[in-house]
Amino acid sequence: GAVVSQHPSRVICKSGTSVKIECRSLDFQATTMFWYRQFPKQSLMLMATSNEGSKATYEQGVEKDKFLINHASLTLSTLTVTSAHPEDSSFYICSAIYLAGYEQYFGPGTRLTVT
Amino acid sequence: AQKITQTQPGMFVQEKEAVTLDCTYDTSDPSYGLFWYKQPSSGEMIFLIYQGSYDQQNATEGRYSLNFQKARKSANLVISASQLGDSAMYFCAMREGSSGSARQLTFGSGTQLTVLP
Repeated sequence: GAVVSQHPSRVICKSGTSVKIECRSLDFQATTMFWYRQFPKQSLMLMATSNEGSKATYEQGVEKDKFLINHASLTLSTLTVTSAHPEDSSFYICSAIYLAGYEQYFGPGTRLTVT
Repeated sequence: AQKITQTQPGMFVQEKEAVTLDCTYDTSDPSYGLFWYKQPSSGEMIFLIYQGSYDQQNATEGRYSLNFQKARKSANLVISASQLGDSAMYFCAMREGSSGSARQLTFGSGTQLTVLP
């Protein structure tokens, strides 16, 4: 199946700093990528939908100035958590779709810890 | 209202036995897709099986089968011959709209399955 990578897999940062997470589709062109957030023992919550070359669409309650998403190419989307706070500590997972296929291919996730 | 409901937060099954994980959904869209994912403790989301709303047959993938009851709006996952490696969190998810629309998935709350030796 298609491969999606995320980098880094784990990151620890100090409160107030910014962290960038990359999501890459390695063997296909992803017209749409999704960013999810997952707290321990909870479900995945969609944060935003990112289409190549256009602005991301954020879900209600997600601060777009805090969670900056860029989808500059068909194989790369980035999520930047700006001025991170301890409550931003979570597991962030991206997924990608090839054209409008039915299956989403998930990245392995990034565990963010803000101290 | 919840779009995807998984009523079993935790399930136990004996190794080699079959287990059914429940999932009900709510949508007014006639075209939709239902998915099951497995999430082990490592966190990766592993796609297991897909059922389209217009599919006549229940989906099967190896030891996984999906018991699709459209009138009841249920899409239960059946795992046959459970293995210790099946212990994980399982999520049911739905995409509303046809496969030609790149809409997001809505996930249920998950079921933590533990396979006992």
